[in-house]
Amino acid sequence: NAGVTQTPKFRILKIGQSMTLQCAQDMNHNYMYWYRQDPGMGLKLIYYSVGAGITDKGEVPNGYNVSRSTTEDFPLRLELAAPSQTSVYFCASSQGLAGRAAKNIQYFGAGTRLSVL
Amino acid sequence: ELKVEQNPLFLSMQEGKNYTIYCNYSTTSDRLYWYRQDPGKSLESLFVLLSNGAVKQEGRLMASLDTKARLSTLHITAAVHDLSATYFCAVTETSGSRLTFGEGTQLTVNP
Repeated sequence: NAGVTQTPKFRILKIGQSMTLQCAQDMNHNYMYWYRQDPGMGLKLIYYSVGAGITDKGEVPNGYNVSRSTTEDFPLRLELAAPSQTSVYFCASSQGLAGRAAKNIQYFGAGTRLSVL
Repeated sequence: ELKVEQNPLFLSMQEGKNYTIYCNYSTTSDRLYWYRQDPGKSLESLFVLLSNGAVKQEGRLMASLDTKARLSTLHITAAVHDLSATYFCAVTETSGSRLTFGEGTQLTVNP
């Protein structure tokens, strides 16, 4: 009953370092998403994917990259970390839009808290 | 560009009172979601509203949707402390899959 699993839970990076945030889901969902949440704010979409091999930019993609080689995994890569990337990162997955009545509810992981110093 | 506005952003209530949180959005949509987030935790799905006039209820929370007014409400009945959390509405454009979130309403229910 894992759902969406994110690793690591916490990370501190130095400016200019790189890292990959891992996200895996076991619900056989087609769609996956990466969001960031700054303190006291709503979530902003970074990247999303509607299936293996397909990714697209969201609202705030600069400084990030993604890949989707399998249905289950959707890693987020930070290159040359900057203080502005200090945030909480959430991965989510959903079944997709199979029909007009599809609810397409997104299920979220526990988050990765990242500080860039 | 789809914009989603919630109000109020902060709400302090007494236990037993009723209140309503409002969510306005700027373009046509066929799906509206309400999520709950406890401090330091992830988001939990509460409701999804798919059509004009849709109403969903779970316990002391009731959500409704008016697509013509581009407005959803989350009504809290006889609030209890356990409802203290941040509530987000989120909207997708018609036939889209991308969610646009409101800023959230931080609800505190005082004894």
